Amino acid sequence: SQQGEEDPQALSIQEGENATMNCSYKTSINNLQWYRQNSGRGLVHLILIRSNEREKHSGRLRVTLDTSKKSSSLLITASRAADTASYFCATVANSGGYQKVTFGTGTKLQVIP
Amino acid sequence: DAMVIQNPRYQVTQFGKPVTLSCSQTLNHNVMYWYQQKSSQAPKLLFHYYDKDFNNEADTPDNFQSRRPNTSFCFLDIRSPGLGDAAMYLCATSRDRDRDTQYFGPGTRLTVL
Repeated sequence: SQQGEEDPQALSIQEGENATMNCSYKTSINNLQWYRQNSGRGLVHLILIRSNEREKHSGRLRVTLDTSKKSSSLLITASRAADTASYFCATVANSGGYQKVTFGTGTKLQVIP
Repeated sequence: DAMVIQNPRYQVTQFGKPVTLSCSQTLNHNVMYWYQQKSSQAPKLLFHYYDKDFNNEADTPDNFQSRRPNTSFCFLDIRSPGLGDAAMYLCATSRDRDRDTQYFGPGTRLTVL
């Protein structure tokens, strides 16, 4: 299965601290995306990193990609209580003539005010 | 402005009673997806439409069907819901087949009694 494995499964930090989540996957990918999901809601796209990129920034988010290790990390700096949510990585890879998106298992982040 | 709309947000049905969930989009995207997400799990792709071309995932049960009468609307039909079909159902769209970014609706939470 291409499904990404994320760790940790759950993370609890104090407001102002940095949060790091990791994602590992199994096969070659075209790109990797990170999504956020608030409890009981749909997913919101955060950032996309292509297979030929190693690092990308967007505001307080920093994503790295290591294709040799088949892993990615999402760093949220200076966390806020509003960052409390589940975070999913999603890999995009060729599958049967089209590019398939497969979501990882998710990391549940709690930021304590 | 709402871009991907799902109705209803909460749906209760009885065991074996057919149910239809709806999704509409104002983005004019070519691709529409249906995902099933059970509690604390990753979203699982059921199928997607690329324009009128229907693509079913290999492990999607026959109990799940979909219709896309036009670009804006897509429906998920569950012919005979079982207790195991209780989940959040997420609709998403993307501009094209490259699936760079998916835009998700808020989801419909289905309860089966």
